[in-house]
Amino acid sequence: QVQLVESGGGVVQPGRSLRLSCAASRFNFNNYAMHWVRQAPGKGLEWVAVISYDATSEYYADSVKGRFTISRDNSKSTLYLQMNSLTTDDTAVYYCAGALLGFCSGGSCYGESDVFDYWGQGTLVTVSS
Amino acid sequence: DIQMTQSPSSVSASVGDRVTITCRASQDISTGLAWYQQSPGTAPRLLIYGASSLQSGVPSRFSGIGSGTDFTLTISSLQPEDFATYYCQQANSFPLTFGGGTKVE
Repeated sequence: QVQLVESGGGVVQPGRSLRLSCAASRFNFNNYAMHWVRQAPGKGLEWVAVISYDATSEYYADSVKGRFTISRDNSKSTLYLQMNSLTTDDTAVYYCAGALLGFCSGGSCYGESDVFDYWGQGTLVTVSS
Repeated sequence: DIQMTQSPSSVSASVGDRVTITCRASQDISTGLAWYQQSPGTAPRLLIYGASSLQSGVPSRFSGIGSGTDFTLTISSLQPEDFATYYCQQANSFPLTFGGGTKVE
């Protein structure tokens, strides 16, 4: 069964940085786009960022553009989210989400690469002074 | 950015009821629409993608329909485990966006 396990959350002061990790297992990580989605306490879901299977392209929500960087290490089957200049509005549970309905290889993707069919358990980031 | 508007924001229903949730996109997204279910304290679960394709393992009482700007999720006969919050998400263009959610209680 596909597994996505996030880590790196915690309490951080405004203006500081934090790096989240997501360890993937039991699927061919290097064939799928990966996303981060967050959920502020008591609020709805907000898409944060996506990285292509081969790390050649990334897209971000306007709310994090210029502050957050998504990356991946396919040799370690791990996804990352570097979060800089954190504000209290960034307080949320951060989910790593896999788009395994969209298979990618050799420069092409087939299927749904922007639908989240596998999710981690989430890691809580609290930005507070 | 494409805005996704769900209605109602909450619905009161009983076991066995037919429940319908709608989602409207601010512009044409073809069939690039997914539905998710989230129970408290858990990660969301994909129910429907491509507006009408049932995700593997999801009971057939869930169905989706729509294209363009108007979409519907239907639960044909509500079961106890279906009391949860439901979200639509457009997968047509970046930034990807979610609806505000519908709580079935």
